Amino acid sequence: AQSVAQPEDQVNVAEGNPLTVKCTYSVSGNPYLFWYVQYPNRGLQFLLKYITGDNLVKGSYGFEAEFNKSQTSFHLKKPSALVSDSALYFCAVRVPNSGGYQKVTFGTGTKLQVIP
Amino acid sequence: DAGVTQSPTHLIKTRGQQVTLRCSPKSGHDTVSWYQQALGQGPQFIFQYYEEEERQRGNFPDRFSGHQFPNYSSELNVNALLLGDSALYLCASSFLRLQGRYEQYFGPGTRLTVT
Repeated sequence: AQSVAQPEDQVNVAEGNPLTVKCTYSVSGNPYLFWYVQYPNRGLQFLLKYITGDNLVKGSYGFEAEFNKSQTSFHLKKPSALVSDSALYFCAVRVPNSGGYQKVTFGTGTKLQVIP
Repeated sequence: DAGVTQSPTHLIKTRGQQVTLRCSPKSGHDTVSWYQQALGQGPQFIFQYYEEEERQRGNFPDRFSGHQFPNYSSELNVNALLLGDSALYLCASSFLRLQGRYEQYFGPGTRLTVT
């Protein structure tokens, strides 16, 4: 079984400061990892993904994430937070197989609050 | 290029009734997945459709069923509604190729309220 943990329900950060939203995963096999953002009453928007290759992945809106296999983590980061980054962030994992049919498992989400 | 669209936006039903939700995938996508997102929770995988067949299923009862049409659009049906079925239902589309390396694109969701 695959699972994702987002240990922080909420993260508060001052505008202009760096932010980190934590994610750890548990899978049997090599994972594909994703970050999505959700604004109130909206669907999820894709931010970035790790499939293979460079452990540091860059995505939309200045976000990046670092894949750490030994720590089974995929933390989301941004050097300088904006008030408009305030939203709900979800980490997700998928384990590929030859058939291509596989479910995506989401974490419970972390609410990011950027304080002006 | 239209993204993923879902209808209706909101829906109110009574316990025991049946509901059908609809989804049109992003142009060019061939796979549709459905998720249930309860308030304050992450999306929970219901099932995935490809080539008009259910390919993967999460831990949801048989009351939840679906369909995919030749144009790749999809429906989610829920029978015998329970209060606990109240949630935001999200549809996501993607390419199946390359073992799922492509990210999913989500629709805005359908907010279902069961009274």
